[in-house]
Amino acid sequence: DTAVSQTPKYLVTQMGNDKSIKCEQNLGHDTMYWYKQDSKKFLKIMFSYNNKELIINETVPNRFSPKSPDKAHLNLHINSLELGDSAVYFCASSKGDRDNQPQHFGDGTRLSIL
Amino acid sequence: AQSVTQLDSHVSVSEGTPVLLRCNYSSSYSPSLFWYVQHPNKGLQLLLKYTSAATLVKGINGFEAEFKKSETSFHLTKPSAHMSDAAEYFCVVSDRRNTGFQKLVFGTGTRLLVSP
Repeated sequence: DTAVSQTPKYLVTQMGNDKSIKCEQNLGHDTMYWYKQDSKKFLKIMFSYNNKELIINETVPNRFSPKSPDKAHLNLHINSLELGDSAVYFCASSKGDRDNQPQHFGDGTRLSIL
Repeated sequence: AQSVTQLDSHVSVSEGTPVLLRCNYSSSYSPSLFWYVQHPNKGLQLLLKYTSAATLVKGINGFEAEFKKSETSFHLTKPSAHMSDAAEYFCVVSDRRNTGFQKLVFGTGTRLLVSP
């Protein structure tokens, strides 16, 4: 009965490769997000989708391409991986995007670039 | 833009003693504020939220926070720490100014250490 699930949990790959992270939520929410948490635990939003439409893109390099096939899924594809992409990536979802709506987070995907 | 400042990167307490995690916010309008907790290798879990209703907000696991506009603070407290409270805590503000949509802005986190 996991609410927000991400796969894979761990991803180890070499520089220059292309990889994808999948996210699914079963909460019936219509807004989904991707966050990046760096080695100092700092969390920053990357993208937000509302009803499958991109609404926030926080100056993320265009090597990162989110895709939302439906409201329950928001996948993240990363091309030409670089060392600086090593981080933990979190998917989240919320019911609408009003300020009082909390976001529900997945357990994260730890990406390590060799 | 909205922002939050967590005043302590680490807080150490003994089990059974009170917990105080400090957070100050900066906002040009009435903010929505949250506290999230992150246990090791886990995602973030909502502890509590303030959205301009009661200024004293009660959350899960005995935590509460008080919104003080005059001090621009939203400190998190708990009367008695448990070992299971050891985790990273994030103070968060919602900022929708530039896009019109909710965007969470996170503080830098406070690591709570609980000793027996």
